[in-house]
Amino acid sequence: NAGVTQTPKFQVLKTGQSMTLQCAQDMNHNSMYWYRQDPGMGLRLIYYSASEGTTDKGEVPNGYNVSRLNKREFSLRLESAAPSQTSVYFCASREDARSYEQYFGPGTRLTVT
Amino acid sequence: KNEVEQSPQNLTAQEGEFITINCSYSVGISALHWLQQHPGGGIVSLFMLSSGKKKHGRLIATINIQEKHSSLHITASHPRDSAVYICAVLYRSNYQLIWGAGTKLIIKP
Repeated sequence: NAGVTQTPKFQVLKTGQSMTLQCAQDMNHNSMYWYRQDPGMGLRLIYYSASEGTTDKGEVPNGYNVSRLNKREFSLRLESAAPSQTSVYFCASREDARSYEQYFGPGTRLTVT
Repeated sequence: KNEVEQSPQNLTAQEGEFITINCSYSVGISALHWLQQHPGGGIVSLFMLSSGKKKHGRLIATINIQEKHSSLHITASHPRDSAVYICAVLYRSNYQLIWGAGTKLIIKP
């Protein structure tokens, strides 16, 4: 099993450009999450999907949209990138919303110039 | 005040030293999660615990639910233990994870 995979690993965007970060898990998990990690701060939840067909805002949703394409895939879209969105983005999954353990993808390092 | 506080923020020690990283929280939780993030970024789960103590190799995690406090200990520390250690609590009311800012540990040979 690959676990949680993310693409791309690195990306540089110019201000105003758009892009989609892809995430997929092969563990048949119901819940999926997108986080951003900035220096000196804990992981911050952007959006989550408790189950297929549902998405909810997390702590820092502004400037992002998500799509739970199917049970396996959960994508994060930046419609008009801003320098403040320079960060490392992690996708994660849990068996379901009440499960304790969360599994992480390798991360995407995004720089917006 | 953050709901999950870790201390210290940074810790440098010599190889072989006994390491303690602390995590305090202010909300009701179902469980607490310790994770490790190596240089290069990958995040892996170390322990999930809701009471008592767990041990895996040289790593020991304890939790005191009454005092809302957990500690992660590393015995006989080694340079390969150098990483960021992150504490997260599973918030009882909505099952969301609330994250500490992490403790950056450097073990010098």
